[in-house]
Amino acid sequence: ELKVEQNPLFLSMQEGKNYTIYCNYSTTSDRLYWYRQDPGKSLESLFVLLSNGAVKQEGRLMASLDTKARLSTLHITAAVHDLSATYFCAVDWSYSGSRLTFGEGTQLTVNP
Amino acid sequence: NAGVMQNPRHLVRRRGQEARLRCSPMKGHSHVYWYRQLPEEGLKFMVYLQKENIIDESGMPKERFSAEFPKEGPSILRIQQVVRGDSAAYFCASSPPSGGPKGTQYFGPGTRLLVL
Repeated sequence: ELKVEQNPLFLSMQEGKNYTIYCNYSTTSDRLYWYRQDPGKSLESLFVLLSNGAVKQEGRLMASLDTKARLSTLHITAAVHDLSATYFCAVDWSYSGSRLTFGEGTQLTVNP
Repeated sequence: NAGVMQNPRHLVRRRGQEARLRCSPMKGHSHVYWYRQLPEEGLKFMVYLQKENIIDESGMPKERFSAEFPKEGPSILRIQQVVRGDSAAYFCASSPPSGGPKGTQYFGPGTRLLVL
């Protein structure tokens, strides 16, 4: 069974600081997704990472994928309050895009 | 271009009643996925459907739960004889026939089911 583990699960940080969220998974996959969820809301797609060494950046967020280590990172640069949300990584191991296995989520709080 | 639509957004049922959750995929999307999110947890895959076909239901509980995606109309997730443990947020996602731009699934707003 595929396992996807995120850490940390809870992250409280000050505005302006940098931090990294880690996503480890247990089975070979070359598709990894990062989603953001605000309280009581749906999931917003942030990044799709398709190959080893892929790096994507959008604003203060940067995601990378190392398929050999089965590890993805989501790096936050100079955090702002608006980034407060829960971040999920999800892995597609079906190779058909039919089934995502999600991590537990990282609840990020950015304090002024 | 309207996104994935789900209704109702909130649903309250008493134990033993039936719950019907509806999902209309994005225009042009023919693949639908249902996920369940328990409080403070990540999403768990339930079922993957294409029009008139269940492709993968490996995440569906064996009893009381069923899903369909008819030729016309929305996809429906049906829960019979609900129990308190069914209380959760149920999310629908969709993707185009090719698997989406790089396989991305687009999520609806969810239905929050509360069983009293």
